[in-house]
Amino acid sequence: EAQVTQNPRYLITVTGKKLTVTCSQNMNHEYMSWYRQDPGLGLRQIYYSMNVEVTDKGDVPEGYKVSRKEKRNFPLILESPSPNQTSLYFCASKGLNSGANVLTFGAGSRLTVL
Amino acid sequence: AQKITQTQPGMFVQEKEAVTLDCTYDTSDQSYGLFWYKQPSSGEMIFLIYQGSYDEQNATEGRYSLNFQKARKSANLVISASQLGDSAMYFCAMREGSLSGGYNKLIFGAGTRLAVHP
Repeated sequence: EAQVTQNPRYLITVTGKKLTVTCSQNMNHEYMSWYRQDPGLGLRQIYYSMNVEVTDKGDVPEGYKVSRKEKRNFPLILESPSPNQTSLYFCASKGLNSGANVLTFGAGSRLTVL
Repeated sequence: AQKITQTQPGMFVQEKEAVTLDCTYDTSDQSYGLFWYKQPSSGEMIFLIYQGSYDEQNATEGRYSLNFQKARKSANLVISASQLGDSAMYFCAMREGSLSGGYNKLIFGAGTRLAVHP
């Protein structure tokens, strides 16, 4: 089944404890991206990657890092989480062929930082 | 800057009735695309429908249709014959960047929570 897999789905952590949210897709998509969802704000892009070793900042990149060493994986790293990073996080991917418009989202990772 | 506005934080509709969820957008690009996603209480994002700015016909997918009014910059979602399973959060989004090269991101509205009553 074609899908984007995120782990963990739920996480409670404390301020300053480094964590990584993994994202993997099995559709051979070039493009991958991370969004965060907050009430009243919709989804906002954190980082995106157009291909292996190519990453760029989105609208809210502060406090996050990403890497794209392999085509299928795009982990999101919070080096020193803070309470304002409590949010619902989505990884998404799509191909770059024309007509490949639709972003496929993972199931989401709900993060709470105490 | 590109922006999506969804002015209805919450809506309710009776089962089997039709409902329209509003979405207005702001862009200076000539080429753009508009999406609607559904987010049920389980949290996943489900793609519903897409409309390209050059598409002459309004997009339809089953019970979903997109009422695209380019001059008014609106892209309202119409759900016909509502079902209890349609209760969810609905997001309107717009792609930024050209279609041929692939876009860089979607810009989302704040969402509309729809409740379908029996």
